[in-house]
Parts: sequence; C-alpha cells; structure tokens
Amino acid sequence: NAGVTQTPKFQVLKTGQSMTLQCAQDMNHNSMYWYRQDPGMGLRLIYYSASEGTTDKGEVPNGYNVSRLNKREFSLRLESAAPSQTSVYFCASTRGGSQTEAFFGQGTRLTVV
Amino acid sequence: GENVEQHPSTLSVQEGDSAVIKCTYSDSASNYFPWYKQELGKRPQLIIDIRSNVGEKKDQRIAVTLNKTAKHFSLHITETQPEDSAVYFCAARYSGGGADGLTFGKGTHLIIQP
Repeated sequence: NAGVTQTPKFQVLKTGQSMTLQCAQDMNHNSMYWYRQDPGMGLRLIYYSASEGTTDKGEVPNGYNVSRLNKREFSLRLESAAPSQTSVYFCASTRGGSQTEAFFGQGTRLTVV
Repeated sequence: GENVEQHPSTLSVQEGDSAVIKCTYSDSASNYFPWYKQELGKRPQLIIDIRSNVGEKKDQRIAVTLNKTAKHFSLHITETQPEDSAVYFCAARYSGGGADGLTFGKGTHLIIQP
C-alpha cells in the first residue's frame, strides 16, 4: 500500500518555464489537496478537490492550475514559473466527509531560478 | 476563512521534561483539530487529533486539550525523548464558504536537549 505518491521529488526550473506535479493515491480517498510549505509559513492550501470532477481554490491559488484526472490522480500545473513559487509542495488526501485525517505525499522540492 | 496562530515558534526542553504547544483559531465553525509532526526532510504525519465534541484526548505520552469557548487547543508531550525533536503543526478544519481543507499554524520547532 503506497498511500500518496508524488513525482518528481526534486525539480529546478527557469523563470517562465512550465511543469506539472503529479500526485496519486491508492486509498480510494474522495478528497485531494495541494499545499505549499515555505520556511516559517506552515502549510498553505493552494487548491483542493472534494470529489472527482470538482476543484476549488484554496488560500494561495494564483499562478497555479489543477486537474482531477480521476479519483486517484490530482495534478498541479505551473504555467509560467516564478521565483516566488520556489517551495516544497505536498499533495494530501482524505476519505472526505467526517473522515478528515489527511495523508501526505513525500513532497516535491521545487526551485525556480 | 480560518486563521490559526501557533506559539511558540521554537521550544527547547530538557529530555524527560514536558512540552506544551498552544494554538488559537478564529472560525467557531471549525470542528476538527489535528496535530502533525514533521521531521527534517519528511512529510507531515498525524500524531493526534480531537473533534469539537471532546475536551481532551490522550495517547500514551501525548495529549491534546480543546477549549471551544476560548477557541484554543494545546498539545502536551510528557517525558520527552530525543526522537520527539521535530517541527509540530496544529491545524483546524473549516467548512464555510464552500471551501474545505486544513488551515495550519506556522509550526513549532521542538528541540529536546540531552
């Protein structure tokens, strides 16, 4: 049972380049989330998907897009990367409803130069 | 939306002593309050959680208390050990405005001194 898997683990981008962070979970969870973690800032919600076919903005959505490809997969896309998007990105999932324990992926460390 | 404040940002205690981390939240509709432990370079992992219909919960050396009236909750670790050294995050789940997900505090770096 792999839980939540993210790819890649590390990435360096040049300003203006685009990329997609992939996330997949094998726990049959309904809800999936993307967070970013910056030093001294905790984890901040970028986007979430309460169920397959739906997505909603979180606290810091600007500069990002998401796709809930199916129940298992939730991707995060940076269309034109900026240095301010240098961060560690975590994908998470929950069963949804009253089952609120969140399981996190191992994180993607992204550097934009 | 929800706002979660966490204190202190750094906490250093002697091995064997107790550690207390405190959080406050703003949205009275929040009803789920987890605590996550994150070791350096690793993912956050749930260590304990509490729901708004409960005032206290214990799991071995870890306990969490919730005061709904004051809108604050605390993590208590007793008999601290070196492996307790990590960053701890509190969080609150809000369910208003069509949004979902956890709002996290900024974290507490717990250092256990030998």
